[in-house]
Amino acid sequence: DAKTTQPPSMDCAEGRAANLPCNHSTISGNEYVYWYRQIHSQGPQYIIHGLKNNETNEMASLIITEDRKSSTLILPHATLRDTAVYYCIVRKPGGTSYGKLTFGQGTILTVHP
Amino acid sequence: NAGVTQTPKFRILKIGQSMTLQCAQDMNHNYMYWYRQDPGMGLKLIYYSVGAGITDKGEVPNGYNVSRSTTEDFPLRLELAAPSQTSVYFCASSYKGTGNSPLHFGNGTRLTVT
Repeated sequence: DAKTTQPPSMDCAEGRAANLPCNHSTISGNEYVYWYRQIHSQGPQYIIHGLKNNETNEMASLIITEDRKSSTLILPHATLRDTAVYYCIVRKPGGTSYGKLTFGQGTILTVHP
Repeated sequence: NAGVTQTPKFRILKIGQSMTLQCAQDMNHNYMYWYRQDPGMGLKLIYYSVGAGITDKGEVPNGYNVSRSTTEDFPLRLELAAPSQTSVYFCASSYKGTGNSPLHFGNGTRLTVT
């Protein structure tokens, strides 16, 4: 599985955009970039995923560089409830791995009032 | 809109006891997964299933068993509980097993073995 590198922690002011970086320099051309978050030992919550193009949904935006070696998750207006551990995951397209997720250490995002 | 439901939320077992962690999903997903998360660590895959009657081992299957008799349910069995199995267990499901099909997780079962 392609390895991901994330900063261990980040801070953000409430109401500002939170930009969480992820490096995945060994990603293969058909592997997806996924973002999940985990709030205080709850189950991981799916945020967004993408392959090559930038993606946006009601929760966040995902910006993937043209060479696909890195990506950024953007929470446009962070709230206190966005304080969580954010995981960037590179996921195989399928086959014998059946698309399983491999979780690393993630980034602890703390949103301050 | 229940999604993935896990029971119980908490459990304390004595060494050598057995128990079944229940997982049910109402999204008609074919694929289901069991993960465990040790304190301060990422999730590790225990078992997964690609459909009723079909299961396979993940990264850390020792000490666990699973069955999948229906699409909705995927119970995880611990036969002889050991302290090393103290962890938080998460069940997840996805519509497909392909990379374009997100996994959706339950809120976990916190298990302590003493």
